[in-house]
Amino acid sequence: ETGVTQSPTHLIKTRGQQVTLRCSSQSGHNTVSWYQQALGQGPQFIFQYYREEENGRGNFPPRFSGLQFPNYSSELNVNALELDDSALYLCASSFGLALETQYFGPGTRLLVL
Amino acid sequence: GENVEQHPSTLSVQEGDSAVIKCTYSDSASNYFPWYKQELGKRPQLIIDIRSNVGEKKDQRIAVTLNKTAKHFSLHITETQPEDSAVYFCAASKDDKIIFGKGTRLHILP
Repeated sequence: ETGVTQSPTHLIKTRGQQVTLRCSSQSGHNTVSWYQQALGQGPQFIFQYYREEENGRGNFPPRFSGLQFPNYSSELNVNALELDDSALYLCASSFGLALETQYFGPGTRLLVL
Repeated sequence: GENVEQHPSTLSVQEGDSAVIKCTYSDSASNYFPWYKQELGKRPQLIIDIRSNVGEKKDQRIAVTLNKTAKHFSLHITETQPEDSAVYFCAASKDDKIIFGKGTRLHILP
């Protein structure tokens, strides 16, 4: 195992609700990136946090927001959930911006009804 | 922004034969190209990567080639084994974010 953990593993929500997903980075890693992986698709970059600051964002609306804490763990918040938000949400931690050190967590599977 | 195209979407090869997956990217400033393997229900795992200052890299049965001029890169798996069955993703990156292709489902036939 890589040491990156995510919680919860599965979640069911209804349209319009809000959700918070959590990620603990691997020991020694200070960067967390979040990805959305729809069924049968590749992961899509949502945003990245480096030393508690957002350091890059993909093509996702503002209702997708995040935080990184002093221990480098991170949260992904999604407001006003839509059916299309149903997906596997992956976080990955790395050391600085050295993407070759990036390791993925097991993911949180979100179903929006 | 960066766009990564990956082909084929599905690939079936006989056990022991070679498999080749091809990707193209759009942003000439991309400088890092990782390949990930994702087994059913599991997280993506990095299997090999290459930087833009290198044309080819090999690790046992896996190799990656990069053609910067044409903006395409390929994954080669030789002597395929049943455990190679999975979905493979190519990706391209500059600086902070990694853009993934849509994946290739590789089936190894007995």
